Order: sequence, then structure tokens, then C-alpha cells
Amino acid sequence: GAVVSQHPSWVICKSGTSVKIECRSLDFQATTMFWYRQFPKQSLMLMATSNEGSKATYEQGVEKDKFLINHASLTLSTLTVTSAHPEDSSFYICSASRGRGLAPDTQYFGPGTRLTVL
Amino acid sequence: QKEVEQDPGPLSVPEGAIVSLNCTYSNSAFQYFMWYRQYSRKGPELLMYTYSSGNKEDGRFTAQVDKSSKYISLFIRDSQPSDSATYLCAMSFFLFSGGYNKLIFGAGTRLAVHP
Repeated sequence: GAVVSQHPSWVICKSGTSVKIECRSLDFQATTMFWYRQFPKQSLMLMATSNEGSKATYEQGVEKDKFLINHASLTLSTLTVTSAHPEDSSFYICSASRGRGLAPDTQYFGPGTRLTVL
Repeated sequence: QKEVEQDPGPLSVPEGAIVSLNCTYSNSAFQYFMWYRQYSRKGPELLMYTYSSGNKEDGRFTAQVDKSSKYISLFIRDSQPSDSATYLCAMSFFLFSGGYNKLIFGAGTRLAVHP
């Protein structure tokens, strides 16, 4: 099956610093990549969607200047949390879509990155 | 009202029990109905998905969709301790403006199967 990796798996940073999280599709080219955020015991909430070479589309309520997304290639997307604050502490999960199929089994999730802001 | 409602539990059952997990939804535009399993601090793993009303079976798992009632279920037969995880329902519709399937997740139900 298709594999999506994330790096790092866990990051701790000081308030005010920026953190970059990488998402890679290892064995396929992803037409679209998605970034989700999950707070403890809560659902996955879509933050933004990105296609290679174009600007990301952010969900309502997500600050685009705070959560910078760069989709540099068909296998790599990065999420940078700028000037992180404790309320940004969360579990960030990316997913990658292979092709433009409608079926859910064309979208693969990464293992997640746990961000803790002190 | 949330688009997808799911009881967060926790649900604790003995090994061998039949588990029933449910979600309701409000958006008639949803086309696919999915169940994901998520272990602690891991990404979700797709278990099953259905497109229309009816049942779909895969081993010990059965997914059921009732579009008229906007209600979906996942049944786990002969539950095992290894089934202990959070189960997320999710629904999707195709966003033509973006050219992708948009997923909306439920809150997840934490299941514990004890020996």
C-alpha cells in the first residue's frame, strides 16, 4: 500500500519560535495534500489543502499567515507553524491523495506529528 | 449542529462481544461513508468505506449505511483486545472547485476490549 511519512514525529519548542513539519508520499506522486489538526479526544479538523506548485486553500478560521504551507513537489508538502504559542500544541496529520479518484482508498494518512509549545 | 455526530464514549466491552459504533450526519451531499481506526498518537487507518445505503462486510467488520435516516454504523464481531482503539467515522463529498474529496470526521469513539 501507499506510504505517507511525516517528520518529525514529535517536536517541542519554545513559545514564539517557528516549527516546520514535513509530509512526504514515499511511493507515489500526490496530486493533492491535506493538513489536519487534532486536539486531544477531538476529531480531525481539516486546516488546508494544497496542490503542487499552487497556493494552499485554507479552511475558514485557519490563519494562513500563521500556518504556512509549501507544496514544493508532488511528493513533499511542508507546514510551518510561525510564532508558535501553547494553544498551537496539537497533533498535526497530513494526508496525500493519489490521482483524482473519488474513492477514499486513494487518500493516505501520515503517522502524525505531535507539537508541544512551551 | 455539527455535520457529523459521534458519541466519544469510552466504550468498554469484554473480549468476544459484538461492538456497535454509530454516527449521524446532516449533509445530504455526502457520497462516501468511511470508518477509520486510530491508535494513540498515530494517523488514522482506513478500515472500510461504502458508497450507498446497505451493508458491507469485511471479516469481523460490517459497515451499514442508511441514507434515509442519515445514520451509519460499524459492527465488530468477536471483538479482540487488539481492536482497542479510537474509531472515527468520516464522510466525504467531491469539491469540484478544488478537484478533491473533502473529508469530514466524527469525534471518534474510544473502544476498550478487555480480556
